[in-house]
Amino acid sequence: DGGITQSPKYLFRKEGQNVTLSCEQNLNHDAMYWYRQDPGQGLRLIYYSQIVNDFQKGDIAEGYSVSREKKESFPLTVTSAQKNPTAFYLCASSLLAGGPNEQYFGPGTRLTVT
Amino acid sequence: AQTVTQSQPEMSVQEAETVTLSCTYDTSESDYYLFWYKQPPSRQMILVIRQEAYKQQNATENRFSVNFQKAAKSFSLKISDSQLGDAAMYFCAYLSSGGSNYKLTFGKGTLLTVNP
Repeated sequence: DGGITQSPKYLFRKEGQNVTLSCEQNLNHDAMYWYRQDPGQGLRLIYYSQIVNDFQKGDIAEGYSVSREKKESFPLTVTSAQKNPTAFYLCASSLLAGGPNEQYFGPGTRLTVT
Repeated sequence: AQTVTQSQPEMSVQEAETVTLSCTYDTSESDYYLFWYKQPPSRQMILVIRQEAYKQQNATENRFSVNFQKAAKSFSLKISDSQLGDAAMYFCAYLSSGGSNYKLTFGKGTLLTVNP
């Protein structure tokens, strides 16, 4: 089955620690995205990547980093510089970046930092 | 910058009845795409329906249809014959057709409750 996987579903970390969220897709999509979801806020774009070895900042990139070494993988690192890291993180992919390419989402990772 | 507004934080509907969720957006572009996504309690985002701005015909997917009013910048979602499985958070989203803007801009969502 083609799709997007994110692991783990729930992640707990202590404040001050970096943590990496996994996102893998087997849809052969060129573009991948990371969104953050907070209660009552909708989704906000953190980073996106149009092709391997290339990525761009979204609206709220501060305190986050990404890499795109393989087409199917786009891990997100939440660094200790991120002031409010507790949130629900969603990874998405699309055949190509931009319209009219629909974005398909993974199941998400709930990160809790205490 | 584009903005998307969903003015109804919560809505409820009786099973088998029809409900309409509202969405308005602001843009200076003439060509773009609009989407409705559903997020059930599992939190998986599921694409419900899409509309291309250059198409005058309203999109339809089974029990889901949209009322796209380009001049009014309005994009409402109608759910007919509501089912218990329709209960979810619904997000309206905007996507530019080109240029360097690859961001889906989301509204804040409408929580739909379906009463048996």
